[in-house]
Amino acid sequence: GAGVSQSPRYKVAKRGQDVALRCDPISGHVSLFWYQQALGQGPEFLTYFQNEAQLDKSGLPSDRFFAERPEGSVSTLKIQRTQQEDSAVYLCASSLIAGPKNIQYFGAGTRLSVL
Amino acid sequence: AQSVTQLGSHVSVSEGALVLLRCNYSSSVPPYLFWYVQYPNQGLQLLLKYTTGATLVKGINGFEAEFKKSETSFHLTKPSAHMSDAAEYFCAVSDNEGGGADGLTFGKGTHLIIQP
Repeated sequence: GAGVSQSPRYKVAKRGQDVALRCDPISGHVSLFWYQQALGQGPEFLTYFQNEAQLDKSGLPSDRFFAERPEGSVSTLKIQRTQQEDSAVYLCASSLIAGPKNIQYFGAGTRLSVL
Repeated sequence: AQSVTQLGSHVSVSEGALVLLRCNYSSSVPPYLFWYVQYPNQGLQLLLKYTTGATLVKGINGFEAEFKKSETSFHLTKPSAHMSDAAEYFCAVSDNEGGGADGLTFGKGTHLIIQP
């Protein structure tokens, strides 16, 4: 596709439910990132993939958060037993090649509301 | 560890006036610096970036930023504001210190308001 696509755009979950958020990066992009953006804040890094390898997951806030990218393209961020503090916009970004100076292209995000 | 400080959560300017959005960073190694813009219900769009070379960087929509190492700053400017510039602006930093993580560290953002 032309850009990074995320689905669903909006998700409402009851506390305790599991959710799965999907990211389709730009075709051929090696690097994929997940960020969490709380209301009124800047995005915060969650995790990073280079192809199918998860090279850094230091930003995941708890072991309820899990991300995968099994074939090196589409990625899923899963949150188990959601809590109210998980309410945020989850942004996915991809970049063509690895390296910290490369441009990251962002999707529109998934807004998660936990009731 | 790296960090970004954006002074002013809200900045209001008149249409046609100078836009100045401030960003200061901390990094123990030479940083890579970015400005992104976010319109409501949209993803972040890159305005410009500094990696190496010329310290004055020109971006899209008439924006530019100057990397000042001595001041650890990367302020964003535009000579003449347009109504369409109203949005949230984020400064971000990355560097080579993060091991396998090429993730960006963002500031908290500055909401730019354009007064007619």
